[in-house]
Order: sequence, then structure tokens, then C-alpha cells
Amino acid sequence: KQEVTQIPAALSVPEGENLVLNCSFTDSAIYNLQWFRQDPGKGLTSLLLIQSSQREQTSGRLNASLDKSSGRSTLYIAASQPGDSATYLCAVSGGNQFYFGTGTSLTVIP
Amino acid sequence: GAVVSQHPSWVICKSGTSVKIECRSLDFQATTMFWYRQFPKQSLMLMATSNEGSKATYEQGVEKDKFLINHASLTLSTLTVTSAHPEDSSFYICSANLGTGASGNTIYFGEGSWLTVV
Repeated sequence: KQEVTQIPAALSVPEGENLVLNCSFTDSAIYNLQWFRQDPGKGLTSLLLIQSSQREQTSGRLNASLDKSSGRSTLYIAASQPGDSATYLCAVSGGNQFYFGTGTSLTVIP
Repeated sequence: GAVVSQHPSWVICKSGTSVKIECRSLDFQATTMFWYRQFPKQSLMLMATSNEGSKATYEQGVEKDKFLINHASLTLSTLTVTSAHPEDSSFYICSANLGTGASGNTIYFGEGSWLTVV
């Protein structure tokens, strides 16, 4: 069964700093990988979707990379802002089903 | 773009009552929808796969008589938590696929529903 791990579990950085969130998965036979953001008491917001044939996707200050062979993905956030504070989840798709990591709780300090 | 709507966003109910959560695909048809549950500080866990016109497929450990899933149309799946208890308090979220092939699937999530049983 696919297992998804996210490190670190929590991260606190000063505003303006660049940061990297890590996601690893045990089964490299994935269809795609998706990064989500979850604010407290809110639902999921999709940030970036990387298909299995792609190596990275970019959206604004966010850049996500995918290395299927090593079972890793990173989410890079440039010039962090207090509004970026949230829990970030990665999920890999093994077809119709997604397997989620436990998330990284990010706090950006003004 | 494709949107999945979930309702209600928040619900508080008394112990012993039943609660229904709806998941709708607004501009596409979804033969399959998925229900997830998230406990505090834990990852989302798949509860069941909802199949239009047939019985849902439940994950191991999920009580099918307690979590009733109905997928009566191509745009609506419902999750009913029956005889709710405080330990059922959780975040429930649904998803639906848009795509013609597994490698091209894009999964859209509803906004999620926070259930509190008092």
C-alpha cells in the first residue's frame, strides 16, 4: 500500500524567507501528485498538480518538483508571507484514489 | 472549471441523531466519488468509494451501516452518518474525478464538512 510522508511536520519561518516542504512516497508507480493547502477549519485548496510525466510545475511563488524514481516531491515557496501560514498536504494518485501525507503546518512570522 | 460542491460546511448535531452530507459535481458527471475523513492532526483517510447506481465500496474498518453512502445520480453522492456519537466528530471531504483515463485524471475536492457531535 502506498505510504506518503511529509517532513517536517511543522515549520516556522520569518516573513520573506524561502522555504521547502518535502513529500516522499513508497510506491513510484503513481499517476500524479498534487499539493494542497488547508487553512484551519477550512477545506482543501489545490495548489499544484504534477502529472507523472512531468518534473515540475510552477504557480506564482510556488514551485513543485517531482522525482518519481526516488519517490520524492518538494514544494518550494519563495518570499514567504504571513498569508502563507496553513497546513500543506501532498497526495499521490494511484489511479482513482489519492493517498495523503499528514501535512506540514507552516507558520510565517511577520 | 470543474467544481465539486459539498454541503453543509459545518454541522452540529446531538448524539444519536443522523446527519447527511451532500457532494455535488457542478459541471461534470462523476460516475465515481470518494469520501475521506480527517481526524485532528492526522492525514486524510479514504472511507469509501461511491459508485453511481451501485453499492459503495468501503475501506477496511469503516462501518457501512453507520456511514451510509448513496450515489443516486451522476452528479450527487451523499454520506449519512447514522446514530452519530462524539467520536464521529471529524472533517469529512468528498472528491470526484474528471478525466477519461487514469493517467490523465484530475481529482477535484469538495470544500469539506466539519461535523461536531455533542
